[in-house]
Amino acid sequence: EVQLVESGGGLIQPGGSLRLSCAASGFTVSGTYMSWVRQAPGKGLEWVSLIYSGGATDYADSVKGRFTISRDNSKNTLYLQMNSLRVEDTAVYYCAREERLAASGPVFDYWGQGTLVTVSS
Amino acid sequence: EIVLTQSPGTLSLSPGERGTLSCRASQSVSSSYLAWYQQKPGQAPRLLIYAASRRATGIPDRFSGSGSGTDFTLTISRLEPEDFAVYYCQHYGSSRTFGQGTKVEIK
Repeated sequence: EVQLVESGGGLIQPGGSLRLSCAASGFTVSGTYMSWVRQAPGKGLEWVSLIYSGGATDYADSVKGRFTISRDNSKNTLYLQMNSLRVEDTAVYYCAREERLAASGPVFDYWGQGTLVTVSS
Repeated sequence: EIVLTQSPGTLSLSPGERGTLSCRASQSVSSSYLAWYQQKPGQAPRLLIYAASRRATGIPDRFSGSGSGTDFTLTISRLEPEDFAVYYCQHYGSSRTFGQGTKVEIK
């Protein structure tokens, strides 16, 4: 059974740093694309970052240069290092697996339960 | 960058009614790269439809997707109580763009 479990959220002051983790089971994170998607309180979904199976990464313009996505294959875990945090980064952060289904591009087929990051002084 | 605009923002319907949700892209997109998700309060999103019209595993057949080019539609043929939620369309591209969502609420 595929499972994704995020951790690491919390309250942090503006300018601070936080690292989120996403422990995966039922599949290998290194064998697929993995993304972070966030949702500000009462708002819609915003894609944040992606790590490809080959290790290349991509970021939304809003976090480029501040956030770093990575994975630990031995722990089958995805990470998001968030630096220089801003109030507008406050959101629930979800990790999600991307998978190519029949006749489709990669879609988010499994999601974690999310972890809340609150950036406030 | 492609922008997805969903309408209406809120859809007020009664159980048993038909719901029609729209997703319009700012430029033509491949239907292979258009998906729909459902999100209930306090829960993570769930994949409903991929490649514009294919139902994900376990999704009831009252959900259907259609469209091509710039106009895509999610139809819920007969609303069940558990279908009242927020629905997002999403395009796979260099950045995985989401629409702003349509809330389907009980009338």
